[in-house]
Amino acid sequence: DTGVSQDPRHKITKRGQNVTFRCDPISEHNRLYWYRQTLGQGPEFLTYFQNEAQLEKSRLLSDRFSAERPKGSFSTLEIQRTEQGDSAMYLCASSLDSYYGYTFGSGTRLTVV
Amino acid sequence: GIQVEQSPPDLILQEGANSTLRCNFSDSVNNLQWFHQNPWGQLINLFYIPSGTKQNGRLSATTVATERYSLLYISSSQTTDSGVYFCAVGETGTASKLTFGTGTRLQVTL
Repeated sequence: DTGVSQDPRHKITKRGQNVTFRCDPISEHNRLYWYRQTLGQGPEFLTYFQNEAQLEKSRLLSDRFSAERPKGSFSTLEIQRTEQGDSAMYLCASSLDSYYGYTFGSGTRLTVV
Repeated sequence: GIQVEQSPPDLILQEGANSTLRCNFSDSVNNLQWFHQNPWGQLINLFYIPSGTKQNGRLSATTVATERYSLLYISSSQTTDSGVYFCAVGETGTASKLTFGTGTRLQVTL
């Protein structure tokens, strides 16, 4: 297993467009997490899944954001009607369970122009 | 929500020096992890350490949960240790949601 994969690595989009990011976790990990990181800050929690169930969403995740994990495998994060404030690094991580260390992917850097 | 403070915010070391990074948190936790974010942005998990002491090569970490702090020790630092070190905690009852500190930026020079 090569770790957590995220695609694309970089995305530039015009304000108002929709974007979708994909995360492929480590195959035996049942927990999957999305975080957002802006310059100079630590990552901020967005949401997490246990298998296919989305168990918690941050208040940072407005109605324009939606995440899915069909069949408990890969996950997608969609942002509708992007705004300049959405520009950030979107990070995905997975873990075997709550009490194991996270493995992060390389992230998707979103720039909204 | 839980507050996580890291110190120092910035640290410059010569290669070969030792350092101690500190993480203080404001409430009880049952998940604590240390990460290294390298200059290319990749977050690497160093330790899962909600309590006790662990060592991995030149790195070691200690968490005293009852006193709400954790320490990361780096010995014989190398230029490849440069980057940002984050402490992240999961509050008791919400262990899956990690709250990250603001990090310690480390620069190791020759």
